[in-house]
Amino acid sequence: RKEVEQDPGPFNVPEGATVAFNCTYSNSASQSFFWYRQDCRKEPKLLMSVYSSGNEDGRFTAQLNRASQYISLLIRDSKLSDSATYLCVVNRASGTYKYIFGTGTRLKVLA
Amino acid sequence: GAVVSQHPSRVICKSGTSVKIECRSLDFQATTMFWYRQFPKKSLMLMATSNEGSKATYEQGVEKDKFLINHASLTLSTLTVTSAHPEDSSFYICSARKTTEGVGELFFGEGSRLTVL
Repeated sequence: RKEVEQDPGPFNVPEGATVAFNCTYSNSASQSFFWYRQDCRKEPKLLMSVYSSGNEDGRFTAQLNRASQYISLLIRDSKLSDSATYLCVVNRASGTYKYIFGTGTRLKVLA
Repeated sequence: GAVVSQHPSRVICKSGTSVKIECRSLDFQATTMFWYRQFPKKSLMLMATSNEGSKATYEQGVEKDKFLINHASLTLSTLTVTSAHPEDSSFYICSARKTTEGVGELFFGEGSRLTVL
């Protein structure tokens, strides 16, 4: 079993739809969690860090569930420009800079 | 956010030559940087962790003598692909760790696409 798992998709959704991705992690000592966005043939870009209390940035909402060991990303009112691969990244316990990447979930927003 | 610059963005070289890729954190100091390799439609593969002032830590299966990493300052790490072969052709990406409010976030360079003829 991979340490960080994501549904690879693709998720094909119409413009304006709400879409949610989940990411599960197996190491209970994981400390920090992030969502990155990667466009084709480009570098990943930080979308948001995920805090214990959950956080929201415009149309994007991230949640952390430590008990069930997953994080989620909700995108409301999808835009065509949201089409990308969304990477879940987990940092293991403090003292080690080990960032584990999920394989990514592909999102296609259709006109 | 933060800015990480990677250079060159594209390089084409002949088999047997060496290629150096630079990764710079432009607006913050990074004691830790990471080097990745990515194949088309695949996820990032961590090659090594670059620590300022000390030796890099390589992942299993990555040849240290093939991929030389130097992190001479708090804003610069370099990856040198020595004696490059066609199978080394890939997209190489660096990232730098920046601590924001106690959380270490990664910021990525633009990537370097290497083609070895």
